[in-house]
Amino acid sequence: GAVVSQHPSWVICKSGTSVKIECRSLDFQATTMFWYRQFPKQSLMLMATSNEGSKATYEQGVEKDKFLINHASLTLSTLTVTSAHPEDSSFYICSAGGVATNEKLFFGSGTQLSVL
Amino acid sequence: AQSVTQPDIHITVSEGASLELRCNYSYGATPYLFWYVQSPGQGLQLLLKYFSGDTLVQGIKGFEAEFKRSQSSFNLRKPSVHWSDAAEYFCAVGAHNFNKFYFGSGTKLNVKP
Repeated sequence: GAVVSQHPSWVICKSGTSVKIECRSLDFQATTMFWYRQFPKQSLMLMATSNEGSKATYEQGVEKDKFLINHASLTLSTLTVTSAHPEDSSFYICSAGGVATNEKLFFGSGTQLSVL
Repeated sequence: AQSVTQPDIHITVSEGASLELRCNYSYGATPYLFWYVQSPGQGLQLLLKYFSGDTLVQGIKGFEAEFKRSQSSFNLRKPSVHWSDAAEYFCAVGAHNFNKFYFGSGTKLNVKP
């Protein structure tokens, strides 16, 4: 199957700094990418839907100025957590798909963010 | 190595028929288990989850799943399928500290009238 690479898998940062997470489709063009967040003992929460070349669509309650999403190419979407705070510590995961995958989604391996 | 297997890529059932989607996992400890559904153009929606306790879990939209430790399985079932259930279904396994999450490759469900 298609491969989605998410980097980094683990990041620790100081409060107030920004962190960028990359989601790459390695062998297909992803017209759509989804970003999710998971809190302990809860399900994945959809944060935003990213379509290549256009602004991301954020779910209700997700601060778009805090979680900046850029989908500048058909193989790369980035999530930047700006001015991170300890409450932003969480597990973030992306998924990608498109015409090339018959709209089937493939998932990255996730990023564990810890903000000190 | 941890993994989640959904052996059926596509399944077609008639409306009103029963449904079972298979999920097997390989994990070093008792995992947290999830079933998600994805409709075209939309993100994942949680159907149900298992953390502990009763191994038969009830979810939304009439779905249920049963955790069988001896078989390392967490199959999803529905007694009577509706046309609106046509979608792709993902089984997932989460580590207890929620720093790892593994998805199956998905099963696409088609519903015949």
